Amino acid sequence: DGGITQSPKYLFRKEGQNVTLSCEQNLNHDAMYWYRQDPGQGLRLIYYSQIVNDFQKGDIAEGYSVSREKKESFPLTVTSAQKNPTAFYLCASSIAVKREAKNIQYFGAGTRLSVL
Amino acid sequence: DAKTTQPPSMDCAEGRAANLPCNHSTISGNEYVYWYRQIHSQGPQYIIHGLKNNETNEMASLIITEDRKSSTLILPHATLRDTAVYYCIVRVQTQGGSEKLVFGKGTKLTVNP
Repeated sequence: DGGITQSPKYLFRKEGQNVTLSCEQNLNHDAMYWYRQDPGQGLRLIYYSQIVNDFQKGDIAEGYSVSREKKESFPLTVTSAQKNPTAFYLCASSIAVKREAKNIQYFGAGTRLSVL
Repeated sequence: DAKTTQPPSMDCAEGRAANLPCNHSTISGNEYVYWYRQIHSQGPQYIIHGLKNNETNEMASLIITEDRKSSTLILPHATLRDTAVYYCIVRVQTQGGSEKLVFGKGTKLTVNP
């Protein structure tokens, strides 16, 4: 069935280690997004991509990197430069990024990252 | 830089209507209001959106005031499974000319038996 799949559900990172969170969608959406959520807080935008081979920094991009080599996939790497990576990470997709009523973002189930 | 204001928490009795308010006094004429909800430890779920007219779907109704400075999400018959954080969102334009959703802290709705 169609949707957004994030994996793994839980992830542990050691000090100085890079880890990659997977996000795949089969909705044929052009736009994809990564958000970070800390306990009791709303979502904050890390990166977004409007189209394959293009991506833009969001509000809190430092310490993160992304790639968009395929329309279906938008992996997020949490680098060792991110000093406080423990959070709930959410991936979303939408038909487009720009001003359209149908630009509804659909979210995956999330990945919970913890530091060992 | 959220453009909306919501009460931090609300309670509702099971079976009754839940009315969740949102203020968006700086909304522009062509900006839509979106509502999402997030059940604990899950991804946010889209509920409804609107521009000027009231909207209704299988999940909820959205009432937007005539001046568009506020709106109310109505869950007509709340169930225990409706306990969640509800986010009222107006899209914000980025420097690159694209748009993004800006999530505030939302309203924590607790439906009581």
